[in-house]
Amino acid sequence: DVKVTQSSRYLVKRTGEKVFLECVQDMDHENMFWYRQDPGLGLRLIYFSYDVKMKEKGDIPEGYSVSREKKERFSLILESASTNQTSMYLCASGGGATFTDTQYFGPGTRLTVL
Amino acid sequence: AQTVTQSQPEMSVQEAETVTLSCTYDTSESNYYLFWYKQPPSRQMILVIRQEAYKQQNATENRFSVNFQKAAKSFSLKISDSQLGDTAMYFCAFMKRTNRDDKIIFGKGTRLHILP
Repeated sequence: DVKVTQSSRYLVKRTGEKVFLECVQDMDHENMFWYRQDPGLGLRLIYFSYDVKMKEKGDIPEGYSVSREKKERFSLILESASTNQTSMYLCASGGGATFTDTQYFGPGTRLTVL
Repeated sequence: AQTVTQSQPEMSVQEAETVTLSCTYDTSESNYYLFWYKQPPSRQMILVIRQEAYKQQNATENRFSVNFQKAAKSFSLKISDSQLGDTAMYFCAFMKRTNRDDKIIFGKGTRLHILP
């Protein structure tokens, strides 16, 4: 079974803190994705990566950065957390070369910024 | 710009009934992929079904089937003989990747309750 794990299920941080969300997949997938999920807004793509050290902006990259030093690991970084970044963050891997294949999702990290 | 619209924020049906979730999308592309993902309460999102836009035949996966109307840009999900385990949030998604023009658009979701 494909497994996508995220470092924390729940996280509480203070405004201005630097926050790292980690995601690890065990299926040797080329693509990895970070989404945020908000009630009434669905999923929105923040960043994705199609290879080690490669990244592409999604629809809402402002306030976020990413790092992919190893194929299996994709990190989302909030340089200076703000209250409007309180959300559920979902990591996924897969999709294939043309986004035609299944994406496999992690359990999510619910981040609260106070 | 591509958009995905799920017009039913929430639905409830009795167990064993058939239910249809609607999804419409807007694109000028001819080649793309459509997906339905399911997110059960407190559990991970999983793929329900996928459809390739160039295929006219509607995708089917056990009790789940789609009605894909390319000209109308409609991609509805039908769940037959609904079960309590079908209770979940369902997301419709549009994806394409050609010549570095990448699009991944999810709808806002439909919360489906299957009642005993």
